[in-house]
Amino acid sequence: DQQVKQNSPSLSVQEGRISILNCDYTNSMFDYFLWYKKYPAEGPTFLISISSIKDKNEDGRFTVFLNKSAKHLSLHIVPSQPGDSAVYFCAASAEPNAGKSTFGDGTTLTVKP
Amino acid sequence: DTAVSQTPKYLVTQMGNDKSIKCEQNLGHDTMYWYKQDSKKFLKIMFSYNNKELIINETVPNRFSPKSPDKAHLNLHINSLELGDSAVYFCASSPTGRGLYGYTFGSGTRLTVV
Repeated sequence: DQQVKQNSPSLSVQEGRISILNCDYTNSMFDYFLWYKKYPAEGPTFLISISSIKDKNEDGRFTVFLNKSAKHLSLHIVPSQPGDSAVYFCAASAEPNAGKSTFGDGTTLTVKP
Repeated sequence: DTAVSQTPKYLVTQMGNDKSIKCEQNLGHDTMYWYKQDSKKFLKIMFSYNNKELIINETVPNRFSPKSPDKAHLNLHINSLELGDSAVYFCASSPTGRGLYGYTFGSGTRLTVV
């Protein structure tokens, strides 16, 4: 049972444009949602998170939107830069095991100069 | 100064062998994890330790045994390796129970069983 899904395996955008990465989940008990970025041969790096009581969180060029009724979250990167090219994972967790994250299978973002 | 370091980075071994992967974190986090990334790129949790105590033990063959000598270290020992164990194994750490703070991952150990 895959509780967190990223239905787009890949996304290609032009430098300077907006990148929108999507994630869907099935477990309505999730309390926290997180995005990670991963470069080849490295571990994932935490980017941004959002609590289920909010619908938006912004950090610099990165904004995460949460639509609880649709069980959907998205990561917006604007403006996109070539250095953003990486695999992006969304993850979710629920209390009381807030530290136990369930990951999606990733979306490969390519930002073209 | 590496926050979460795991060794070795690459491990090639024959079926039936026993091997260990070591992990150390210098962030002062109380909780450490082992995740497995299979060929389909899924990251799946295997184990979690909080202050040396096992708190998460997913459905993992008992050939896999984690050991935490102290809260800064979490090692993974695998007995009788099988072809299906080939994957990338990631160690991670986080502050206890703080769901918004995310993990700090190591760079991974690519295990290849031949």
